[in-house]
Amino acid sequence: GESVGLHLPTLSVQEGDNSIINCAYSNSASDYFIWYKQESGKGPQFIIDIRSNMDKRQGQRVTVLLNKTVKHLSLQIAATQPGDSAVYFCAVRGSGSARQLTFGSGTQLTVLP
Amino acid sequence: EPEVTQTPSHQVTQMGQEVILRCVPISNHLYFYWYRQILGQKVEFLVSFYNNEISEKSEIFDDQFSVERPDGSNFTLKIRSTKLEDSAMYFCASSEARQETQYFGPGTRLLVL
Repeated sequence: GESVGLHLPTLSVQEGDNSIINCAYSNSASDYFIWYKQESGKGPQFIIDIRSNMDKRQGQRVTVLLNKTVKHLSLQIAATQPGDSAVYFCAVRGSGSARQLTFGSGTQLTVLP
Repeated sequence: EPEVTQTPSHQVTQMGQEVILRCVPISNHLYFYWYRQILGQKVEFLVSFYNNEISEKSEIFDDQFSVERPDGSNFTLKIRSTKLEDSAMYFCASSEARQETQYFGPGTRLLVL
């Protein structure tokens, strides 16, 4: 099966700096990767996704990088704002018949004033 | 912007009682999911549902659990004879197609006493 882990359980950054949150996955056949943001007491909120045929995708202030060689995924947030403070999860979907998402354990991002 | 809704937001029940958690997926979505998150732990997949039947389920989703789409809008998770360890946040999600992004509801916090 799939296992997904994040490198750091917590990350503190200064407002205005860039944030990088990393994630590793185990199944080389995984073909779809998503980053979710979860604020306290709320459900996971979709941020950005990437499929295995890409290695980079950009959104508004966010970039996801996928390195399939080392099975590593990262989320970059540019000019981090106080509203970015939340727990960030990567989720990975396997190929074939197993289509459910496997979530990582989450990184708590704290933006310091 | 359309969103997944869930009711109730909080549910307290006695051990051994049955609970029904309700979800209204996004209206044009065809795939529905239930996940749970025990406090401080990862989001875990429970079940996926399509075309009025279960398409995938995890080891967690045993005979105690059942899902139903009783009408054209609601999607329910029933937990029979609740146990203390069923206490968790339960998230409903939906996607337009099987390979598309899953959007999550705000969750139901279930507390079993």
